Amino acid sequence: NAGVTQTPKFRVLKTGQSMTLLCAQDMNHEYMYWYRQDPGMGLRLIHYSVGEGTTAKGEVPDGYNVSRLKKQNFLLGLESAAPSQTSVYFCASNRLAGGPLAKNIQYFGAGTRLSVL
Amino acid sequence: AQKITQTQPGMFVQEKEAVTLDCTYDTSDQSYGLFWYKQPSSGEMIFLIYQGSYDEQNATEGRYSLNFQKARKSANLVISASQLGDSAMYFCAMRGPNSNSGYALNFGKGTSLLVTP
Repeated sequence: NAGVTQTPKFRVLKTGQSMTLLCAQDMNHEYMYWYRQDPGMGLRLIHYSVGEGTTAKGEVPDGYNVSRLKKQNFLLGLESAAPSQTSVYFCASNRLAGGPLAKNIQYFGAGTRLSVL
Repeated sequence: AQKITQTQPGMFVQEKEAVTLDCTYDTSDQSYGLFWYKQPSSGEMIFLIYQGSYDEQNATEGRYSLNFQKARKSANLVISASQLGDSAMYFCAMRGPNSNSGYALNFGKGTSLLVTP
């Protein structure tokens, strides 16, 4: 009953370092998302994917890249980390059975807490 | 563009009492879906309840109910018989009918609920 799995759970980077956040879902969902959560800001969309091999920018994409080479995996990369990227990152996924306005629950991973010094 | 507003940064409620968490939204769409999520101190995002804009009945899920007033554009979460384990952040979110942003959820900034003995 894994659902959405994110690795790592915690990471500390120095400014300028790179890293990749991994997200895997076992629910055969087409749609996957990366959000960031900052204090008092709610969740903001970084990038999303509507299927294997496709990705698109969300609300706050600068400084991030993504890839979806396999349907079950969605990777978020930071090429040159900056202190402004200190945040909690959430991966999420859902299907759209019955269309976008049906009760298609978005399932979240446990989050990755990233600090950039 | 959609906007979700949660006007209560923090709320207190006594155990066994009911509490209402406010959510208003701004959209020009006629069709949309509204979600509530709970985020306990452990950090995960837990789906609570869904309301579709064309649903005639207010949604209920156990102790959670949604007071949906479409004309007022409000979707307040009601928690009955509060328990200590209900202490958490609560997020209201919306999914609209358009495919831009891949039908991602648009979140409010959240309300912190503390249940006291």
